[in-house]
Formats: sequence, structure tokens, C-alpha cells
Amino acid sequence: GENVEQHPSTLSVQEGDSAVIKCTYSDSASNYFPWYKQELGKGPQLIIDIRSNVGEKKDQRIAVTLNKTAKHFSLHITETQPEDSAVYFCAARGNTPLVFGKGTRLSVIA
Amino acid sequence: DGGITQSPKYLFRKEGQNVTLSCEQNLNHDAMYWYRQDPGQGLRLIYYSQIVNDFQKGDIAEGYSVSREKKESFPLTVTSAQKNPTAFYLCASSLRAARGSYNEQFFGPGTRLTVL
Repeated sequence: GENVEQHPSTLSVQEGDSAVIKCTYSDSASNYFPWYKQELGKGPQLIIDIRSNVGEKKDQRIAVTLNKTAKHFSLHITETQPEDSAVYFCAARGNTPLVFGKGTRLSVIA
Repeated sequence: DGGITQSPKYLFRKEGQNVTLSCEQNLNHDAMYWYRQDPGQGLRLIYYSQIVNDFQKGDIAEGYSVSREKKESFPLTVTSAQKNPTAFYLCASSLRAARGSYNEQFFGPGTRLTVL
């Protein structure tokens, strides 16, 4: 089955700097890769997703890149703000329900 | 106001008791899911259902049971056979769970279960 690895597990950045979170997946059949943001005590919320026929997608300060050959995808947050502090999860779906990485706790220091 | 509701937000039970967590959605989604979240473990799939009266085991189904009698509802029972039931439980739904689908998966607010 699918296995998703996520790095780093924790990340601290200064406000205004960029943050990058990386994930790898194992199943070449996976074709949908969402990213979720989870604030303390709440359910995860989708922030951006990418399909396997696209290499990059942007939404304001957030971008996701996908390298199908290497089986990895990354989340990029530019001009970070304190409200970006949360836990971020990557996920992959192919022939099975979504499989999640273990999460990255992002802290943006003002 | 559409979405997924989970109740209660906090739940306390004594060891050895079964407990049922509620999940309701009014998004007209076919597929529903239950995840367990532990610190540092990410989201692990317990059960999922693609259609009414049908459900499949996820990665950690032992000690749990579900039912799907209505499209809107997917309750999860944590039985006394579950060795470490204390966790944060998340319910989710999507339009379809079909293979290769791109459907967004929406999450509820979660229920924190503590077994004393």
C-alpha cells in the first residue's frame, strides 16, 4: 500500500521568511496530493492540492510542487505570518483512501 | 450552513465501557471516514464507507466498529477491546471515494476521547 513520509517534523521560521515542507510517496498509482492545515484542537482544513498531471500550483502565498519521477511533492509558504503557525499534513491518494504523512509543526516567530 | 458535525467535543469514559462517537454531514457526500490522531502519529484510517450499508476496514480497525444506515451519518463505536482508546478522533467525508478520484475530503472538528 501507499506510504507517505513527511519532513521535517518541526520547523521554526522568522516572520516574513519562507517555509518548505517535503513529502515522498511510494505508490506510483497515486495521482492526488492535498495539503491540510490543522490548528490546535480543530479538524484539518484543505489549503491546496495538486493532481498528477500538474507540476506546480500556486494560491497567493502558498505553492505546491510535484515531481512524479522522484515521487515527491513539497509545500512552499512565502512571507510567513504568525497565523501560519499550525500543523501541516501532506497526503496522497491513488487506489486507496488518502494516506497522510505524520505532520510538520510550523512555528512562525514574530 | 453545510458541513460535518461531531459530538461531543470532549468525552470521558471508564475503562471497559463501549462508547459511540457521532458524525453527521449535510454535504450530500457518499463517502465517509474515521481517523484516529495521536501526537506525532499523523492521521490513521480506522474505517471508511463509500455508500450506505457498506464499509471497509482501514489500517487500525481492531477494537472499533461502525455502521452506515443513513447517508448522513457514520457513527463509530470504540469497544472495550481497543487497548489504547484515548485519542483525538476525526470524521471526514468526500463526494466519492472512488479509485483515482480528486474529490476534496472535508473534516469535522473532532472528538477528544479520554478513557479513565
